[in-house]
Amino acid sequence: EVQLVESGGGLVQPGGSLRLSCAAAGFTSSIYGMNWVRQAPGKGLEWVSYISSSSTTIYYADSVKGRFTISRDNAKNSLDLQMNSLRAEDTAVYFCAKRGSSSSTGRYFDLWGRGTLVTVSS
Amino acid sequence: EIVLTQSPGTLSLSPGERATLSCRASQSVSSSYLAWYQQIPGQAPRLLIYGASSRATGIPDRFSGSGSGTDFTLTISRLEPEDFAVYYCQQYGTSSYTFGQGTKLEIK
Repeated sequence: EVQLVESGGGLVQPGGSLRLSCAAAGFTSSIYGMNWVRQAPGKGLEWVSYISSSSTTIYYADSVKGRFTISRDNAKNSLDLQMNSLRAEDTAVYFCAKRGSSSSTGRYFDLWGRGTLVTVSS
Repeated sequence: EIVLTQSPGTLSLSPGERATLSCRASQSVSSSYLAWYQQIPGQAPRLLIYGASSRATGIPDRFSGSGSGTDFTLTISRLEPEDFAVYYCQQYGTSSYTFGQGTKLEIK
C-alpha cells in the first residue's frame, strides 16, 4: 500500500527540541520532493518546509527558519524534521506530504500521512 | 508572499445542490501552481485538483476547478453526503507554498 507514516510527536516544553520522522512505503520516495505541513488545533493548513529528491534544494517557512531543519535518507525511504527552540505556537499536527511530480508543474501534494501531534507546553 | 483568501468562510447547502467555492490571490498566480484539497475532520487532506483544473486520480467528475490570474473556483456539481468537509486552495510561489484559510462546507 502506498502510504506515509509520521512518528515522533509528543509533549515538549517551550525551548525544547523534538525530531519527527516520516516513513514512506509502497513507492520510490527517493525520486520525489517531500514537504512538512502543519495544522494547529482548530486552524488551517500551514506549509513548513520542502526538500528536493536529492536534498539539494531546501525551503522553510519564515515562521520556522533558523529553528527547524529538514533532512531525508533515501536509502531508508525516510524524511525527518528536527525542531529546536520550540514555542507554544508550534503546537500542531505535523503532516508529511509528497510532491506530485518532479516536473515544474508538479508542485502540489498528492500523498499525505495521517500526521503526528506536537504539543509545546510547560 | 502571495496571500490566498477563500470565500465564503462557511457554506451551508443540501445534498444534491451545487457548491461554488472561491479562492482569490493577492497577486497573479500561475494556473500550473494552484491546487485544491479536501479535509474531513480528523483526517489528512486529500488532493482534489491540481494545475487549477486537473482532477487528481480517483476524484469524481462532480469536482471541477477553474480560473486564472487571481481568481480561482472549485465547483461541486451535485453534493454527496461525503462532500461535506473543509476545502483549501494552495499555491506555489517563489520558494514557498501558501494555503487559503479554508471554506467549511456544511449540511444545511
